[in-house]
Amino acid sequence: DQQVKQNSPSLSVQEGRISILNCDYTNSMFDYFLWYKKYPAEGPTFLISISSIKDKNEDGRFTVFLNKSAKHLSLHIVPSQPGDSAVYFCAASRGNTPLVFGKGTRLSVIA
Amino acid sequence: NAGVTQTPKFRVLKTGQSMTLLCAQDMNHEYMYWYRQDPGMGLRLIHYSVGEGTTAKGEVPDGYNVSRLKKQNFLLGLESAAPSQTSVYFCASSYVYNEQFFGPGTRLTVL
Repeated sequence: DQQVKQNSPSLSVQEGRISILNCDYTNSMFDYFLWYKKYPAEGPTFLISISSIKDKNEDGRFTVFLNKSAKHLSLHIVPSQPGDSAVYFCAASRGNTPLVFGKGTRLSVIA
Repeated sequence: NAGVTQTPKFRVLKTGQSMTLLCAQDMNHEYMYWYRQDPGMGLRLIHYSVGEGTTAKGEVPDGYNVSRLKKQNFLLGLESAAPSQTSVYFCASSYVYNEQFFGPGTRLTVL
């Protein structure tokens, strides 16, 4: 049973436009959500996070939105740059349990 | 600071052989994790540790063993490798269950 779902395996966006990556979760007990970015042949790196008490968190070009009623979060990248091309993983946690990761979305930013 | 390091970076095994993957972190983190990444499957937790001398099973523990004899090291062992264990293995560490820092990965092929 997949608790964290990233239903789009891939996404292509023109440079300078907005990239929107989506993530759905099934466990209403999740209280912290994170996005990781992964380049080929490297380990994932932390990008941005949000607590369940917030509905938005912004860090430069990256914004994460959380809709608890819909059990949905999204990552917005504005403007998108070629260096943003990577695999993005959504992850969630609840209390004292390890992170649960989605399967990832491959973003391609086309110059 | 080196962060999280993994040894070796690449390895090819024959079915039935054994090996140990070493993870080391210099951030004084209590929590350490081993994941495997397979195409289309995302990051799946194998085993994890919440402190020196402790280990716990993750989502896909079968065929693997771990040990955390020192706080800074987390070892992943394969006693009898199988082709199904061909994967990229990532180690990670964290202060708590949230933001994790990942190593660069070990690419293992079992023939």
